[in-house]
Amino acid sequence: QQQVKQSPQSLIVQKGGISIINCAYENTAFDYFPWYQQFPGKGPALLIAIRPDVSEKKEGRFTISFNKSAKQFSLHIMDSQPGDSATYFCAASIVAGGGNKLTFGTGTQLKVEL
Amino acid sequence: EAGVAQSPRYKIIEKRQSVAFWCNPISGHATLYWYQQILGQGPKLLIQFQNNGVVDDSQLPKDRFSAERLKGVDSTLKIQPAKLEDSAVYLCASSLGPNSPLHFGNGTRLTVT
Repeated sequence: QQQVKQSPQSLIVQKGGISIINCAYENTAFDYFPWYQQFPGKGPALLIAIRPDVSEKKEGRFTISFNKSAKQFSLHIMDSQPGDSATYFCAASIVAGGGNKLTFGTGTQLKVEL
Repeated sequence: EAGVAQSPRYKIIEKRQSVAFWCNPISGHATLYWYQQILGQGPKLLIQFQNNGVVDDSQLPKDRFSAERLKGVDSTLKIQPAKLEDSAVYLCASSLGPNSPLHFGNGTRLTVT
């Protein structure tokens, strides 16, 4: 019940295109849903996060869409650039429980081609 | 602000040997986490500290792994004895408080041969 399922495992997008990564969860107690970006040899870096009381959050070219009833959330990267090529992880946690203990998805390797 | 510092960056040991990793969190961050990231997988929480106390170590293999955070700042994670399946990147993260976003270090890549 603590799992977060992420798809696809890998994704190739043309420069300027839209990258879409999907995640699904089971535990309805999760109340914080961040996305992390990880480059080779680096630690994950927080990209954008959402709480379940909103259905969408946008920061620059990055948008999270959240569907509470379906227990799904997704990351959209608009106007994808070669510099966006990285591994993306969705995650979920129960912040209200007194600790931001993240459960991560398995990751999506994104490659943006020229 | 300076990020989360970890050392060493790489470590290669033989199975049954011991190894220790060090983490210095962002100044003022009370909460510290250790995660294990096996190649091709997402990070998995091992232990969470709040100041120098353990909040959650339910996923820490306590027969071989130990961690401490003396004085509520730096932390060390030790494995003794190491197994082949411990080969992974060990990530340290810190946050201002238990409900704040996590900031990760660049990790220590451990190879057990």
